[in-house]
Amino acid sequence: GQSLEQPSEVTAVEGAIVQINCTYQTSGFYGLSWYQQHDGGAPTFLSYNALDGLEETGRFSSFLSRSDSYGYLLLQELQMKDSASYFCAVRDRANAGKSTFGDGTTLTVKP
Amino acid sequence: DTEVTQTPKHLVMGMTNKKSLKCEQHMGHRAMYWYKQKAKKPPELMFVYSYEKLSINESVPSRFSPECPNSSLLNLHLHALQPEDSALYLCASSQDDRVEEQYFGPGTRLTVT
Repeated sequence: GQSLEQPSEVTAVEGAIVQINCTYQTSGFYGLSWYQQHDGGAPTFLSYNALDGLEETGRFSSFLSRSDSYGYLLLQELQMKDSASYFCAVRDRANAGKSTFGDGTTLTVKP
Repeated sequence: DTEVTQTPKHLVMGMTNKKSLKCEQHMGHRAMYWYKQKAKKPPELMFVYSYEKLSINESVPSRFSPECPNSSLLNLHLHALQPEDSALYLCASSQDDRVEEQYFGPGTRLTVT
């Protein structure tokens, strides 16, 4: 099976940089994904890492280390609208189509 | 068009009712998913359809019955639900079941009374 660990809450101020970590245990690993979900909204795909290294998309970057079973989401130049829940997710190589989500990290951005 | 639509937005039903949730996408995606999400919890996978065939059923009770009439549509038929089934039901789609990028619909907020 799969299990993922991420911090439950993170608080930061506008303009700051925040890193949300995710460690995972999985029987088969395709890659690590990140989703954002605002209160009352649907999850929105942010990024996917299948290979080691950093992927950058605008203010958001995602990193993966397969050897450490670890990844993180880096949010730069934080804005109030970034306040949301962030989920890491892994897909099961043995069971294509099955994504397991971490419990989520609630990010609060303060003025 | 990168939108997944779901109807209805809200649904209140009694434990003896039968209702259906509907999901539609026109992105040509060949994998479609049903998730259940409780407040402050992550989405939990219920079913996966790949090329209109049910490929994953995460041991979901039979009172939930999925249906994929064609590659654009996904239904979830509900019957004899319990109050603990009250949740947000999310539909998602992806290019196929090996592509991670999933597009989620806005969900149906279900309350079982």
